[in-house]
Amino acid sequence: GIQVEQSPPDLILQEGANSTLRCNFSDSVNNLQWFHQNPWGQLINLFYIPSGTKQNGRLSATTVATERYSLLYISSSQTTDSGVYFCAVHEWIRYSGAGSYQLTFGKGTKLSVIP
Amino acid sequence: DGGITQSPKYLFRKEGQNVTLSCEQNLNHDAMYWYRQDPGQGLRLIYYSQIVNDFQKGDIAEGYSVSREKKESFPLTVTSAQKNPTAFYLCASSRRGGTDGGYGYTFGSGTRLTVV
Repeated sequence: GIQVEQSPPDLILQEGANSTLRCNFSDSVNNLQWFHQNPWGQLINLFYIPSGTKQNGRLSATTVATERYSLLYISSSQTTDSGVYFCAVHEWIRYSGAGSYQLTFGKGTKLSVIP
Repeated sequence: DGGITQSPKYLFRKEGQNVTLSCEQNLNHDAMYWYRQDPGQGLRLIYYSQIVNDFQKGDIAEGYSVSREKKESFPLTVTSAQKNPTAFYLCASSRRGGTDGGYGYTFGSGTRLTVV
């Protein structure tokens, strides 16, 4: 299956700082998602981004599918940005003559924003 | 509002017991999934279902069972055969993807299972 690697594994930021999280994947993918897992465990979808660049407030993401990586940018970080950020790719899996997409996750980047 | 509801939030299991985790969605999604998360790790796929009355094993299905009798519901049973069941369990759903691509996933808030 596809391997998904995220870096850095841990990141500590002063409030107001900017950061870039990276996601590398080992094979071509049709789709990619970025999630934020808050301290209570809830996974929130940030971006659904198979290619190109998207922005949502202080967050933006860029996926370069031909080079097999995606970047998540966080600007002017706030303490509420703390948590774990996951990258996940959609992988086509064949079974019994049919198939379906499965989501394969990286191990995440744990972000701590301190006041 | 549409979403996914998982219950209970916390569950304690004695050695040798089977327990069932509930997952219900009102998003009209065809596909549903169960993931397991261990501390410091990413999510690993246990089982998934693309349509009613059909489901497939994921990467770590041993010791787990599921059913999909209704579109809205995808319960997960953690059996006594699962040797290390203490973990955080997340349920997700999505529209059913085709060969040209999948669709975005929506996750529930999770169930934290502890063996006592």
